[in-house]
Amino acid sequence: RKEVEQDPGPFNVPEGATVAFNCTYSNSASQSFFWYRQDCRKEPKLLMSVYSSGNEDGRFTAQLNRASQYISLLIRDSKLSDSATYLCVVNMEGLGGGYNKLIFGAGTRLAVHP
Amino acid sequence: EAGVAQSPRYKIIEKRQSVAFWCNPISGHATLYWYQQILGQGPKLLIQFQNNGVVDDSQLPKDRFSAERLKGVDSTLKIQPAKLEDSAVYLCASSLERLAGLYEQYFGPGTRLTVT
Repeated sequence: RKEVEQDPGPFNVPEGATVAFNCTYSNSASQSFFWYRQDCRKEPKLLMSVYSSGNEDGRFTAQLNRASQYISLLIRDSKLSDSATYLCVVNMEGLGGGYNKLIFGAGTRLAVHP
Repeated sequence: EAGVAQSPRYKIIEKRQSVAFWCNPISGHATLYWYQQILGQGPKLLIQFQNNGVVDDSQLPKDRFSAERLKGVDSTLKIQPAKLEDSAVYLCASSLERLAGLYEQYFGPGTRLTVT
């Protein structure tokens, strides 16, 4: 089983649509969680952190369910500029302790069309 | 603030040849990472440095890959000899020490390697 699993998509949605991405992780000891955005042929960039209480940043809402080991990202009022790959990322303590490492999912592709 | 710099941006080599990538992290960032991203997959950590010491190289194919971070700043990643399956984007990232539960990594633009 992969450590972080995502639906690869692609999700093809019209402008203005609401779209949700899901992600599951296998290690219950995972400590923190993030969504990164990666545009085509570009490097990943942090979109937002995911907090246990859920958090919102403009049109983006992230939620975490530790019991189900499940993370979600909701995008409201999609824009053409939201077209990208969204990477679910889990931060866990490295083997032997003393440091942290990020585990990336394979990403979910979003294509927003006019 | 200058970002993470990487060079070259693109490299095409034949299998069994050698190649080296260079990374200059954001000034003051103690932690440096090298990732491999194969098309259609997420980045996979190859090696993580804390200053100039290695803290995780569990997924580095040590028979052909090597990396160093001299003086705790710049880093180089080398592949010798290259295989077809090494074709990927090699991303360098850096971060400050983990603060307040957050752990943001800043990525460079990557080096796109094609092995023919």
